[in-house]
Amino acid sequence: EPEVTQTPSHQVTQMGQEVILRCVPISNHLYFYWYRQILGQKVEFLVSFYNNEISEKSEIFDDQFSVERPDGSNFTLKIRSTKLEDSAMYFCASSDPSGPVNTEAFFGQGTRLTVV
Amino acid sequence: DAKTTQPPSMDCAEGRAANLPCNHSTISGNEYVYWYRQIHSQGPQYIIHGLKNNETNEMASLIITEDRKSSTLILPHATLRDTAVYYCIVLYSGNTPLVFGKGTRLSVIA
Repeated sequence: EPEVTQTPSHQVTQMGQEVILRCVPISNHLYFYWYRQILGQKVEFLVSFYNNEISEKSEIFDDQFSVERPDGSNFTLKIRSTKLEDSAMYFCASSDPSGPVNTEAFFGQGTRLTVV
Repeated sequence: DAKTTQPPSMDCAEGRAANLPCNHSTISGNEYVYWYRQIHSQGPQYIIHGLKNNETNEMASLIITEDRKSSTLILPHATLRDTAVYYCIVLYSGNTPLVFGKGTRLSVIA
């Protein structure tokens, strides 16, 4: 069964450093998403990406964050100048817009980011 | 904000049916009802979705009331591996970003 793959599974970084979280979406999917979940809290939408540009973003997704699809398979989330409150589980997801309108999103297993 | 209301927690005996309710009284005519679950801290997993009719797949059944203001997710024979947080979400399209509420924490008990 196709799956969304995220690397690394766990990333520890020092406050103020930049991190890049990587995702390989399902190959024929064209919608990509990043979500985050702070420990004990809800899953929160960050950004969606379609046709090589951001299609929607939440208030959380400020100038500290950026996304990129550097090649035909990877989708990355860059967090600049990390803060302690960026510590969370980050989930990548993808969906297929060429299917019926009522499709579903497939999530990766997440990257746990710990900022120290 | 989530447009749905779910009980915060439920228990179910292993092997019995788990019935998880969801209220979505402000749902519009072209919005779907989706269910996802999150086992421990894993990525959310799609379960089922529907518009008006009841739906069934290999994981679960979805019963939507005639006025579409509420629905029930049914896991027919719950197992310990079904212990998870279950999210009911309404949205226009599966390609729309998901808005997660707090969901229902289902505990399946041996």
